[in-house]
Amino acid sequence: QVQLEQWGAGRLKPSETLSLTCAVYGGPFNDYYWSWIRQPPGKGLEWIGEINHSGSTTYNPSLKSRVTISVDTSKNQFSLKLTSVSAADTAVYYCARGGFRSTSCFDDWGQGTLVTASS
Amino acid sequence: DIQMTQSPSTLSASVGDRVNITCRASQSISAWLAWYQQKPGKAPKLLIYKASRLESGVPSRFSGSGSGTEFTLTISSLQPDDFATYYCQQYEGYPFIFGPGTKVDIK
Repeated sequence: QVQLEQWGAGRLKPSETLSLTCAVYGGPFNDYYWSWIRQPPGKGLEWIGEINHSGSTTYNPSLKSRVTISVDTSKNQFSLKLTSVSAADTAVYYCARGGFRSTSCFDDWGQGTLVTASS
Repeated sequence: DIQMTQSPSTLSASVGDRVNITCRASQSISAWLAWYQQKPGKAPKLLIYKASRLESGVPSRFSGSGSGTEFTLTISSLQPDDFATYYCQQYEGYPFIFGPGTKVDIK
């Protein structure tokens, strides 16, 4: 059973850069798509973007100008950077596994990281 | 972007009830729809994919139906562990969009 473990800074000041990493254990990494998804407190889920093992990315247009997702296949890890955060970016951020060799829904999730952007 | 709606937004039900949650897409997504269950403080859990396929390990009281623009998640006999929020998600095209959620609480 694959496990996703994520980490990163939980408290940021406005204009700083959010940085999170997700490590994949116990399952294959290559040939899958890997996503970041966020959820503001008390609200719904928003897909941020995805990457595959070769580094091909697709981002949500609503965040595209501020988002970078990268991959390190030697460590079975992928990372999220979101620049110029504001209070609107306060949310629980999840990493998740997508489809095998094609886009799909999300069958495994990380534990979530609450990121708070506040002065 | 494809827009997703869910109804109702809140549903009060009792243990043993049959529960139906509806999800609608703003355009046809064929069967590229998933359903998730989320409990407070936890990550969402995949229940149904490709509109009607039960994820491994999910109880058979959960079922999904529909295609095109209208979909339904059915819980045949609500159990105490099922009180949670349910989200649909389309993956027919980018960006992937989730519905706003349906909270199932105790009547």
